[in-house]
Amino acid sequence: AQSVAQPEDQVNVAEGNPLTVKCTYSVSGNPYLFWYVQYPNRGLQFLLKYITGDNLVKGSYGFEAEFNKSQTSFHLKKPSALVSDSALYFCAGPPSGGSYIPTFGRGTSLIVHP
Amino acid sequence: DTEVTQTPKHLVMGMTNKKSLKCEQHMGHRAMYWYKQKAKKPPELMFVYSYEKLSINESVPSRFSPECPNSSLLNLHLHALQPEDSALYLCASSQGLNSPLHFGNGTRLTVT
Repeated sequence: AQSVAQPEDQVNVAEGNPLTVKCTYSVSGNPYLFWYVQYPNRGLQFLLKYITGDNLVKGSYGFEAEFNKSQTSFHLKKPSALVSDSALYFCAGPPSGGSYIPTFGRGTSLIVHP
Repeated sequence: DTEVTQTPKHLVMGMTNKKSLKCEQHMGHRAMYWYKQKAKKPPELMFVYSYEKLSINESVPSRFSPECPNSSLLNLHLHALQPEDSALYLCASSQGLNSPLHFGNGTRLTVT
């Protein structure tokens, strides 16, 4: 069984500072994990995924995520935040019960202040 | 712009109306999905089609009826909806069932 959790409802960061949006997972077996971003009045956009291989995954718009097996985490990071990064971010991974369709964490609202 | 196109963008309907939401993709993806999303919440899976066959129905009420006429098109037929069905309805497609999802921009549905 696997599920993902996003512990923070909202993250605030100043423009130019590094940002981290947290995601943890519970897993039986090898996880596959995704990050998506949703801008207002838009659908979700795929940012990056981890299936196997390098623990540091690079994605769109300068985002990256680090898979950490010992901490069961897959945090999303960016070295220097932009105001335009302000959006809703969702971590996703396979759910419990044997289904193969990813389920989403509750979402984290990222606000980047000028 | 997304590669998954949803129409209409907005829909207002009464509880006795019948309407349909449409979704189209030309990426050759063989899996297509309907999600329902309330404001500031994660998308909730409704239906999955794989190779044009319904493979998952997440116990969705029968007032929502999906249809997959061909590998590029996905419809969601709506009938006798309730005000609590008001939400953003998102269509998505993927190359396979473990592949990233490509979402449309959704249909904002309001049931009056």
